[in-house]
Amino acid sequence: EVQLVESGGGLVQSGGSLRLSCAASGFTFSRFNMNWFRQAPGKGLEWVSYIISSGTYIAYADSVKGRFTASRDNGKNSLYLQMDSLRAEDTAVYYCARGATGSWGQGTRVTVSS
Amino acid sequence: DIQMTQSPPSLSASVGDRVTITCQASQGISNLVNWYQQKPGRAPQVLIYTASNLRTGVPSRFSGGGSGTDFTFTISSLQPEDAATYYCQQHENLPYTFGQGTKLEIK
Repeated sequence: EVQLVESGGGLVQSGGSLRLSCAASGFTFSRFNMNWFRQAPGKGLEWVSYIISSGTYIAYADSVKGRFTASRDNGKNSLYLQMDSLRAEDTAVYYCARGATGSWGQGTRVTVSS
Repeated sequence: DIQMTQSPPSLSASVGDRVTITCQASQGISNLVNWYQQKPGRAPQVLIYTASNLRTGVPSRFSGGGSGTDFTFTISSLQPEDAATYYCQQHENLPYTFGQGTKLEIK
């Protein structure tokens, strides 16, 4: 069974940093492209970042470009999102997802206080 | 960026009703559309991928169709557990983009 478990969320002040992790199991992680999505409170869904299976190509939404860095460790079956210079508008539940059509994790909540 | 225009924003229907949600892309996207169901406090779940493919384990009352710019999502016979918000999403091009969502209420 495919499982994706996010962690690392929490409360942080504006301008601060957080590192999210996504632990994958139940599939060959190294063969799949991965995505980060987010959902602000009471709002719709937003794509954040895409990273190919090898980690050699990464794309970001304009809203996070230059502040967020996605990475992966295929040896540890893990995906990461380093979030710097956080803003109040980054407050959301962050989800990792397998590929463009696959499973999502349960999410981790990030709250940025101003 | 590709815009996904989803309608209606909300709807109320009775158990057993047939319900259809539509999504229109701002440019042709072949069949690269997913449909998600999200219940309060839960993560979104893919029900339909690549426009018309039913994900394993999803009841057959859910279906999807369309290609190019116009897509539909249908529940053939509404059940109480179908109360949720539904989203379309294109994965033809980055940035992946979503429709605004349809909140489905059971009368």
